[in-house]
Amino acid sequence: QVQLVQSGAEVKKPGASVKVSCKASGYTFTGYYMHWVRQAPGQGLEWMGWINPNSGGTNYAQKFQGRVTMTRDTSISTAYMELSRLRSDDTAVYYCARDPATTPYSSSPYWYFDLWGRGTLVTVSS
Amino acid sequence: SYELTQPPSVSVSPGQTARITCSGDALPKQYAYWYQQKPGQAPVLVIYKDSERPSGIPERFSGSSSGTTVTLTISGVQAEDEADYYCQSADSSGTYQGVFGTGTKVTVL
Repeated sequence: QVQLVQSGAEVKKPGASVKVSCKASGYTFTGYYMHWVRQAPGQGLEWMGWINPNSGGTNYAQKFQGRVTMTRDTSISTAYMELSRLRSDDTAVYYCARDPATTPYSSSPYWYFDLWGRGTLVTVSS
Repeated sequence: SYELTQPPSVSVSPGQTARITCSGDALPKQYAYWYQQKPGQAPVLVIYKDSERPSGIPERFSGSSSGTTVTLTISGVQAEDEADYYCQSADSSGTYQGVFGTGTKVTVL
């Protein structure tokens, strides 16, 4: 069925990097934009950026510019989000979420999320 | 930075109507979207493009827009509707950025 399967929980030390994966199945991976959203414990949702799996183009939230890198491997229908120089306040559940805008027909995403992964808990602790 | 403001909580009795507002200066120019999130689960889209309902979402969920405020209405609230609800839109003031509302906890009494 149509789903996004994310990698398992991670524990990292401050200053380290983490790379979270999101494998798409049941639809054409390169056909839809993919966003990343995070949620700190007990807090709200925070948009991080998107990747166009067809072209590899990206757009990052200003807050994460210089620390986040979104990539994809089309051969295995998987998107990745890498966050570097981790701090304790990066502790959160990280979600991948599909945008219904179809690539390459749409030059930009529709800016909403119709399919979500289950989330990956990243804990940053010394 | 652009903000979407929601009330922290709404309480409603079963069968009554819950209304959740979301305010933001750019909402007259950008669509709003609504998500339901239950504890330990990923968010689920319940309204898109201000008032459209995805397939599989009950008819009791509806959305509306007026000026700088959008509203999610849950008619005939059921116990299973108890959850956090987030509005979401795009900030087009510079490089497009996604933005979420502050979230509203709906409690069914």
